[in-house]
Amino acid sequence: SQQGEEDPQALSIQEGENATMNCSYKTSINNLQWYRQNSGRGLVHLILIRSNEREKHSGRLRVTLDTSKKSSSLLITASRAADTASYFCATGAGGTSYGKLTFGQGTILTVHP
Amino acid sequence: DAGVIQSPRHEVTEMGQEVTLRCKPISGHNSLFWYRQTMMRGLELLIYFNNNVPIDDSGMPEDRFSAKMPNASFSTLKIQPSEPRDSAVYFCASSLPGLASNEQFFGPGTRLTVL
Repeated sequence: SQQGEEDPQALSIQEGENATMNCSYKTSINNLQWYRQNSGRGLVHLILIRSNEREKHSGRLRVTLDTSKKSSSLLITASRAADTASYFCATGAGGTSYGKLTFGQGTILTVHP
Repeated sequence: DAGVIQSPRHEVTEMGQEVTLRCKPISGHNSLFWYRQTMMRGLELLIYFNNNVPIDDSGMPEDRFSAKMPNASFSTLKIQPSEPRDSAVYFCASSLPGLASNEQFFGPGTRLTVL
């Protein structure tokens, strides 16, 4: 079963608006990552946040992590039509499964020009 | 670097045929992952290797699926015999897990259609 559950499943916004996607998970993690997938392509890594971090920024991306609530959010500011894609959260457990990631079901983001 | 390379990009076959998917990871990466993606089940981890050794194959759906990694630069995922329900996009990903990051790099995928 998938560790991460994204919410909402689909999000439709206008260019220039902010987009917020949420991810919840069940077990302890070492880190949480967000990936993007354009239609028909492979996933591309966006940002990683470690379990001892609470917030991280990268360009127009802002990720938060609340380990007490086992949840994370991805905020894309000033969205563009080119941001249209599916976004997945993935959790890494560390330890003997250090390289393994468990992906959520994804959020489909549509940004209208 | 060329990134993760997968072949073929598209495969159409008939039920009962053997299918072999291929993957070349990024040079220097020591972990390799095979995923399957469908609309119904999302992205599923099938198996992963560390230093060419299979670590976790609990996601392999059944005995019809097998994966090998004979060396650090090549892996195969074989389905024999194939069934229509195997139709999906199969992704290979590689990474170099370390203290800094265990970011995975994905290939473009192989779209498999079993008729």
